Amino acid sequence: GAGVSQSPRYKVAKRGQDVALRCDPISGHVSLFWYQQALGQGPEFLTYFQNEAQLDKSGLPSDRFFAERPEGSVSTLKIQRTQQEDSAVYLCASSSPKGRGRGTDTQYFGPGTRLTVL
Amino acid sequence: QQQVKQSPQSLIVQKGGISIINCAYENTAFDYFPWYQQFPGKGPALLIAIRPDVSEKKEGRFTISFNKSAKQFSLHIMDSQPGDSATYFCAARRSRGSTLGRLYFGRGTQLTVWP
Repeated sequence: GAGVSQSPRYKVAKRGQDVALRCDPISGHVSLFWYQQALGQGPEFLTYFQNEAQLDKSGLPSDRFFAERPEGSVSTLKIQRTQQEDSAVYLCASSSPKGRGRGTDTQYFGPGTRLTVL
Repeated sequence: QQQVKQSPQSLIVQKGGISIINCAYENTAFDYFPWYQQFPGKGPALLIAIRPDVSEKKEGRFTISFNKSAKQFSLHIMDSQPGDSATYFCAARRSRGSTLGRLYFGRGTQLTVWP
């Protein structure tokens, strides 16, 4: 079926606004990752879910960043009181067909959401 | 602190030539080393990957060379084509432990292949 999808593809926010970014992983994938990619840089890990459990959020840069995956499928990354340094592409990746959930599986990335904070 | 260091930052190669991108890492707990290819406006896509128990892996025109003692690995693209023009990222991951699955990326190499 379809790959990982993300919405919106582009988001412009004024400094101080809250934003919500959505990720639809590949159906049945247990693991879901969020990464932040600054212009001209490699992706940087933000957080990781296995089903609905957030197992690692050590990469979230501040308490303004919050992620959830309440039913173990769709995930939302929320950024409160956006700052200019939050401008980046936010990538979502999923892996591990149902029943596996190992760390060795290929991560499939979505196209990302480009966030610009003015 | 960059856990995976990648060079060069940019690379220009003539069509038919060999493109070589190098990466180095420090954390000996890494045991899976993928290369990703990214086109503008797209997410990274897995190109090829290697584990440290082999020194080389080849898939078509793409080869990974791995030197465990030096903690280095490289991507070779043979017979480079204009369609290979993209940004390439090396990465590393632990398959066990608290950071299970988390990918550590290099900063990327922008490859341009001239026709």
